[in-house]
Amino acid sequence: GQQLNQSPQSMFIQEGEDVSMNCTSSSIFNTWLWYKQDPGEGPVLLIALYKAGELTSNGRLTAQFGITRKDSFLNISASIPSDVGIYFCAGPTSGGSNYKLTFGKGTLLTVNP
Amino acid sequence: DADVTQTPRNRITKTGKRIMLECSQTKGHDRMYWYRQDPGLGLRLIYYSFDVKDINKGEISDGYSVSRQAQAKFSLSLESAIPNQTALYFCATSGPGQGNQPQHFGDGTRLSIL
Repeated sequence: GQQLNQSPQSMFIQEGEDVSMNCTSSSIFNTWLWYKQDPGEGPVLLIALYKAGELTSNGRLTAQFGITRKDSFLNISASIPSDVGIYFCAGPTSGGSNYKLTFGKGTLLTVNP
Repeated sequence: DADVTQTPRNRITKTGKRIMLECSQTKGHDRMYWYRQDPGLGLRLIYYSFDVKDINKGEISDGYSVSRQAQAKFSLSLESAIPNQTALYFCATSGPGQGNQPQHFGDGTRLSIL
């Protein structure tokens, strides 16, 4: 089955620093999704990408759909304490639909004030 | 009010007990999913349902069963709980169509089996 490799597994940064994380797939995706999970809550969709090369922003967050369609990147600029949480990438498990998603194992972000 | 509601939020029980986790949604979505989250392993799909008459196994369905009682309700059962089923469980929904519909998650049920 498809596998997603997400890195880094964890990050410890100072408030104000920029953050970058990425996800690679063993096969081509036509969709990349990035979710954030706050402590004690369910994952919440941050950004959805539907086209190779697409660059999409949501406030201080920017995500890109890699040209090869096998990778995606999420950047957070000027981090703040509320950015703490687990960030997951996800993509369709098979075929072209989002009916089933495969998730990366997550990047745990800690921001020191 | 939350669009995807899971009950209970926390549950501690003993090995061998039968447990049911419930999920209800007000989003009007046809598709519903149950995931399990373990530290360092991300989210793994247990079962999913595309409509009331449709039930499908995910990658880790052994030891679990589900029931889709209505479009808005999808419950997960552990017939005889064992300690390695201790985890955080999430229900999710997604909209219809061929298009790329992201999934929307509830806030989870933390299940501990002693």
